[in-house]
Amino acid sequence: GNSVTQMEGPVTLSEEAFLTINCTYTATGYPSLFWYVQYPGEGLQLLLKATKADDKGSNKGFEATYRKETTSFHLEKGSVQVSDSAVYFCALSELGANSKLTFGKGITLSVRP
Amino acid sequence: EAQVTQNPRYLITVTGKKLTVTCSQNMNHEYMSWYRQDPGLGLRQIYYSMNVEVTDKGDVPEGYKVSRKEKRNFPLILESPSPNQTSLYFCASSAAGAPRSGYTFGSGTRLTVV
Repeated sequence: GNSVTQMEGPVTLSEEAFLTINCTYTATGYPSLFWYVQYPGEGLQLLLKATKADDKGSNKGFEATYRKETTSFHLEKGSVQVSDSAVYFCALSELGANSKLTFGKGITLSVRP
Repeated sequence: EAQVTQNPRYLITVTGKKLTVTCSQNMNHEYMSWYRQDPGLGLRQIYYSMNVEVTDKGDVPEGYKVSRKEKRNFPLILESPSPNQTSLYFCASSAAGAPRSGYTFGSGTRLTVV
């Protein structure tokens, strides 16, 4: 079956530091890949997505590139802010009868001033 | 505003007392789904619906029921809640072709069963 593996957390960074959150996946077909963000006390928001190999998703300074050869979708940001403190989930979905999202376990990012 | 609305946001109940968590979307989406979020486990799918009157089990359906009588509503029913159903629940919806368009999530319902 499909699965998503995220790096272990939590992660604590200083403001303006560079961020990388690793995500790798296993899928039987050609999934679409997503990063979702969950701010404290809120629901999940779609941060960015990529639907085919070599696509780059980007939003709010975050980027991730769909790497089929390494089955990865790592999230990066050049300079994090305190407001980026949240839980980040990598997820995939394949077109099919269910088309469900398969999530990684999530990672908590804390950014200190 | 396009959104998925869940109610209630917080609920504390006792073991065995039937409850319903409502979910409604205003985007005319065909696909709706329920997830539960537990620490260290991420989000796991409970049930999903591809359209009106079409529902099916996800990965963790035991102890839950759903119905899809109207396109906009997808309630989650716990007929006899147990403490292991204490969790954070999310409803999500998407247009057909969900993998490419992404999903819209509700704000969540935090359920405690004592």
